[in-house]
Amino acid sequence: RKEVEQDPGPFNVPEGATVAFNCTYSNSASQSFFWYRQDCRKEPKLLMSVYSSGNEDGRFTAQLNRASQYISLLIRDSKLSDSATYLCVVPDTGGFKTIFGAGTRLFVKA
Amino acid sequence: DGGITQSPKYLFRKEGQNVTLSCEQNLNHDAMYWYRQDPGQGLRLIYYSQIVNDFQKGDIAEGYSVSREKKESFPLTVTSAQKNPTAFYLCASSIGVKNTEAFFGQGTRLTVV
Repeated sequence: RKEVEQDPGPFNVPEGATVAFNCTYSNSASQSFFWYRQDCRKEPKLLMSVYSSGNEDGRFTAQLNRASQYISLLIRDSKLSDSATYLCVVPDTGGFKTIFGAGTRLFVKA
Repeated sequence: DGGITQSPKYLFRKEGQNVTLSCEQNLNHDAMYWYRQDPGQGLRLIYYSQIVNDFQKGDIAEGYSVSREKKESFPLTVTSAQKNPTAFYLCASSIGVKNTEAFFGQGTRLTVV
């Protein structure tokens, strides 16, 4: 099992739709998690951090399920500008490496 | 403004040549990282550094070298030993190395011609 695995993409959704991505991780000792957004040919930027059960920021909700070892990202009322690649990030438990998922591509269409 | 700066944005190299990518940060972060990203792929860790004068290999360090002589700077050299160097290189920094978010530079796109 890979250390971090994400839903394969791309996800193609219409504007206004609700879409969810999952990310599974293998190390049960992991304590914190991050979702980054990466636009085409640009650097990743932090979208949300998840330290406990979940986090919500406007249309975006991140949830953590420790028992099943996955985190999810829910986007409500999708906008065209949400089109990007979403990277799941799990810091190594030793803390010295950060493990990135391969990313999930989202296309929001008018 | 605080941030992390990579240069150049685009770089072309002839096969067999070494090339150095610059990464500077003024965020006073202790930890710095180099990642490689290939088209349609996630980020893979090349090297990371927790403090000045110390650095560790990541998952794909072969063919690369780094130095950390100053807290602000973490240059990456892509050597001729790297068999497939064409990629998007991202430098990042974080306050500490444990469980903290990383801030990225804008990246350097290296093409071997």
